[in-house]
Amino acid sequence: DVKVTQSSRYLVKRTGEKVFLECVQDMDHENMFWYRQDPGLGLRLIYFSYDVKMKEKGDIPEGYSVSREKKERFSLILESASTNQTSMYLCASSDGLNTEAFFGQGTRLTVV
Amino acid sequence: SQQGEEDPQALSIQEGENATMNCSYKTSINNLQWYRQNSGRGLVHLILIRSNEREKHSGRLRVTLDTSKKSSSLLITASRAADTASYFCGAGTYKYIFGTGTRLKVLA
Repeated sequence: DVKVTQSSRYLVKRTGEKVFLECVQDMDHENMFWYRQDPGLGLRLIYFSYDVKMKEKGDIPEGYSVSREKKERFSLILESASTNQTSMYLCASSDGLNTEAFFGQGTRLTVV
Repeated sequence: SQQGEEDPQALSIQEGENATMNCSYKTSINNLQWYRQNSGRGLVHLILIRSNEREKHSGRLRVTLDTSKKSSSLLITASRAADTASYFCGAGTYKYIFGTGTRLKVLA
């Protein structure tokens, strides 16, 4: 079975901290994604990566950056966490066109 | 940007009834996918329909796609309490844009 593993299920950070959310997939997928999910707003794409060291902005990249140094790992970085970044963060991976995306279990981040 | 928008936002039915939810999107796509999310968890893939397909079945699921109307529907037949979840459509090519989802509640 494909596994997409997010490093934490729950995380509490302070305003201004630099926060790293890690995601690892074990199926050699080309594409990896970071979404955030908020009540009433659904899932919104933050960043997308289609290859190692390649990335593309999604709909809401402000305040975030990403890193993909190895194919299996895609990190989301909050440069200076703010309370409006309190959310559920979902990582996903897929293998090219017309294939399903596999999601991790999510990280619920609270910024206080 | 491309966006899947699900309708209705919430749906409550009795066990054994059919549940229908709809999805609209804005731009041309390669495929459309439906996912299910149990409370507080990640999304689980249900079914993928390509842009050149009009209908697809998988077990109790039936998906239709109308590219001229940029819309899709998901039908769950003979629903069960275990089908209670949120359902999302993801529309796109190599990256997928999702909407706010339909919250389905199946009453036993």
